[in-house]
Amino acid sequence: NAGVTQTPKFQVLKTGQSMTLQCAQDMNHNSMYWYRQDPGMGLRLIYYSASEGTTDKGEVPNGYNVSRLNKREFSLRLESAAPSQTSVYFCASSNSGTSGSRAYEQYFGPGTRLTVT
Amino acid sequence: AQRVTQPEKLLSVFKGAPVELKCNYSYSGSPELFWYVQYSRQRLQLLLRHISRESIKGFTADLNKGETSFHLKKPFAQEEDSAMYYCALHTSGFQKLVFGTGTRLLVSP
Repeated sequence: NAGVTQTPKFQVLKTGQSMTLQCAQDMNHNSMYWYRQDPGMGLRLIYYSASEGTTDKGEVPNGYNVSRLNKREFSLRLESAAPSQTSVYFCASSNSGTSGSRAYEQYFGPGTRLTVT
Repeated sequence: AQRVTQPEKLLSVFKGAPVELKCNYSYSGSPELFWYVQYSRQRLQLLLRHISRESIKGFTADLNKGETSFHLKKPFAQEEDSAMYYCALHTSGFQKLVFGTGTRLLVSP
């Protein structure tokens, strides 16, 4: 079990360039999430997908789009990167079909460190 | 709105000293609370959840509904406890967690 995997690990973009961050999980989880982590701001939810075929905005969705390609994969796209999007991006998943607090336990990927110049 | 507050950005203690990382939440219903930890160069991982009332790596956390707090405690800090700690809140009806801004714990020898 690889758990949650993310690619790439590092990326440098110029302002205006586009890119897609990939995330995959092999735990058969229903729900997947994208966060960004910034110093002093903690983890902020960008988008999430409660189940295959659905996506919803989180706290900071502007400048991003997502695709829940299938149950395993959830990608995050930056159409026109801006320096304000320099951050560490984490993907996570949870098994919302489980009862009790385990339904909300999230498993995280290793992160993607993105720099926009 | 649901909110999680971690008032300390950095907590620095010596090895063997007691540690308390503060977490307060705002939610009028029955919350479910978690502590996540991120060691250097590692991914976030669940440390403990309030409903389990468990002790993990010597850490405990008690939910105090009257004070709306879920502070993380350890009686004797170890150097390997140095990490970033996040408190997180799940509220019924939402498929997501609300995270605090995190507290960096630094344990010096």
